[in-house]
Amino acid sequence: AQSVAQPEDQVNVAEGNPLTVKCTYSVSGNPYLFWYVQYPNRGLQFLLKYITGDNLVKGSYGFEAEFNKSQTSFHLKKPSALVSDSALYFCAVRALGYKLSFGAGTTVTVRA
Amino acid sequence: DGGITQSPKYLFRKEGQNVTLSCEQNLNHDAMYWYRQDPGQGLRLIYYSQIVNDFQKGDIAEGYSVSREKKESFPLTVTSAQKNPTAFYLCASSPEFPGELFFGEGSRLTVL
Repeated sequence: AQSVAQPEDQVNVAEGNPLTVKCTYSVSGNPYLFWYVQYPNRGLQFLLKYITGDNLVKGSYGFEAEFNKSQTSFHLKKPSALVSDSALYFCAVRALGYKLSFGAGTTVTVRA
Repeated sequence: DGGITQSPKYLFRKEGQNVTLSCEQNLNHDAMYWYRQDPGQGLRLIYYSQIVNDFQKGDIAEGYSVSREKKESFPLTVTSAQKNPTAFYLCASSPEFPGELFFGEGSRLTVL
């Protein structure tokens, strides 16, 4: 079985401050990890993924994520948040096979 | 442009009626998926297909049906047996494992 937990329903930050969205996972075998962003009434947009290699992954729009195998975490980070980063963020995990399991999502609000 | 097209974007249905949601992709991906999104619950997998003429049930397949007669198309039928069909439905496709999923813009179904 595979699962993802996003412990925070909401994250609020001021524009210009660092943004972190937390994600922990549980899988059997090697994990393949993903972050997506969703704007209201839209589909999900891919931000970044960890497959193998360097634990720090860089993605779209200035986002990055750090894979930590010992803590089974894959937190999403952005050094300086923008108001336009306000959206719903999903972490997802994939082990063997085609199924991708998603967390419940974290709503990010960046205030001006 | 390559991508995934879902239609209709909004759909209203009376109780007891079946409805079919369309999903077409021109990305030449073998795998396609249907997810259901409800507020606060993240995305839940309904059905997925790894190849033409083959598909598997996901976590919440009851009350839904699919077909995969062509590589480009993966329609989802929401039947009258689905007890709570009002939701946002997302179609996705992916290239070879373990690539990320590419999502359509979604279809919002409301049962009146």
